[in-house]
Amino acid sequence: NAGVMQNPRHLVRRRGQEARLRCSPMKGHSHVYWYRQLPEEGLKFMVYLQKENIIDESGMPKERFSAEFPKEGPSILRIQQVVRGDSAAYFCASSLSASNQPQHFGDGTRLSIL
Amino acid sequence: DQQVKQNSPSLSVQEGRISILNCDYTNSMFDYFLWYKKYPAEGPTFLISISSIKDKNEDGRFTVFLNKSAKHLSLHIVPSQPGDSAVYFCAASASFGNEKLTFGTGTRLTIIP
Repeated sequence: NAGVMQNPRHLVRRRGQEARLRCSPMKGHSHVYWYRQLPEEGLKFMVYLQKENIIDESGMPKERFSAEFPKEGPSILRIQQVVRGDSAAYFCASSLSASNQPQHFGDGTRLSIL
Repeated sequence: DQQVKQNSPSLSVQEGRISILNCDYTNSMFDYFLWYKKYPAEGPTFLISISSIKDKNEDGRFTVFLNKSAKHLSLHIVPSQPGDSAVYFCAASASFGNEKLTFGTGTRLTIIP
């Protein structure tokens, strides 16, 4: 998993607080994807971004969740007013291009809501 | 609506033998398929992929077979090694305008020394 850097690795928040998850893609990769894994489940797509653009956010909850990938700096997944159900592992992946290229994953951020 | 299914939650294989992991899909738009391996507390590691224009792709001990008519793919690991013990995820994507990966629920592979 070298290359895609996620931080923090673990994040604890109380209900109602905000969570910010960061992802730096592999060098040279301009396509970033966020996935969520609930316990005992597979990974579920949330959002696909390129620099400064959201390409597909069909997997993202309509409220409280937002994502960005600015021209400079990491991609950010932001969850406002967190609830217990947001507890999960959030994984970021990057790829060189969109078509028929493997996505490479970071080690994830484990979000726990108290 | 589980579009990618891994029907075996777990599999145990003797060291040195062949491990075969299976995956079925329902969406005929899928044209790119991948296998990932995942250890606890780590992200998925890409293993091997196959495009729908092929029916087989090989990389070292790993071979992926694709049967489009049956909407089925399998991963063969031979010979199996203790370090192969992990959860294996099958994933699929459709290349035009929809690059997101759809994952199966995983198969936990245990290699018995």
